[in-house]
Amino acid sequence: GEDVEQSLFLSVREGDSSVINCTYTDSSSTYLYWYKQEPGAGLQLLTYIFSNMDMKQDQRLTVLLNKKDKHLSLRIADTQTGDSAIYFCAENKYGNKLVFGAGTILRVKS
Amino acid sequence: SAVISQKPSRDICQRGTSLTIQCQVDSQVTMMFWYRQQPGQSLTLIATANQGSEATYESGFVIDKFPISRPNLTFSTLTVSNMSPEDSSIYLCSVVGLASTDTQYFGPGTRLTVL
Repeated sequence: GEDVEQSLFLSVREGDSSVINCTYTDSSSTYLYWYKQEPGAGLQLLTYIFSNMDMKQDQRLTVLLNKKDKHLSLRIADTQTGDSAIYFCAENKYGNKLVFGAGTILRVKS
Repeated sequence: SAVISQKPSRDICQRGTSLTIQCQVDSQVTMMFWYRQQPGQSLTLIATANQGSEATYESGFVIDKFPISRPNLTFSTLTVSNMSPEDSSIYLCSVVGLASTDTQYFGPGTRLTVL
């Protein structure tokens, strides 16, 4: 099974907030990442958080980290149709070797 | 962030042939990696491309099937050898920069279809 787990699908209405959740297994991971993949495109680094932080905000994106529960979330405020994509969380498990979750498909309905 | 390009962007190949994928970065980077994304799947690390020495492969990947070169700090190649339809995937290179070792950026990927 996956070391990093994500829900597979999320559907929201335009203008609502989206919350994508992720659980990871290695408490020694130093960084946790969120990547976005649009259809037919490569991976775009959205944001990342250092493991000694609880929260990081970057414009419409808020990352929350609960290290005790090994839970990571990405909140997208005011979700737009352009946010429709697959979102991958990843942990920096073995010194810059990333372990990815299966990805969450975000569908934004107008 | 580094600008990463890959060639080719896509290819359709016959089984039994080999394809070499190039990854070029516009600045020197400390680490380069190759990942595979099979259809509808997540990304799996194939290997770490080491400059001037043999690549370090992950479990399930071997040098004979995926030979890798990294002659300098800005360039690497991955060859998919003796291809079969099961090798149809997107192959992506990624880099960790000199200035910021906590971020990893990905190239646009090479979409390979093996018939």
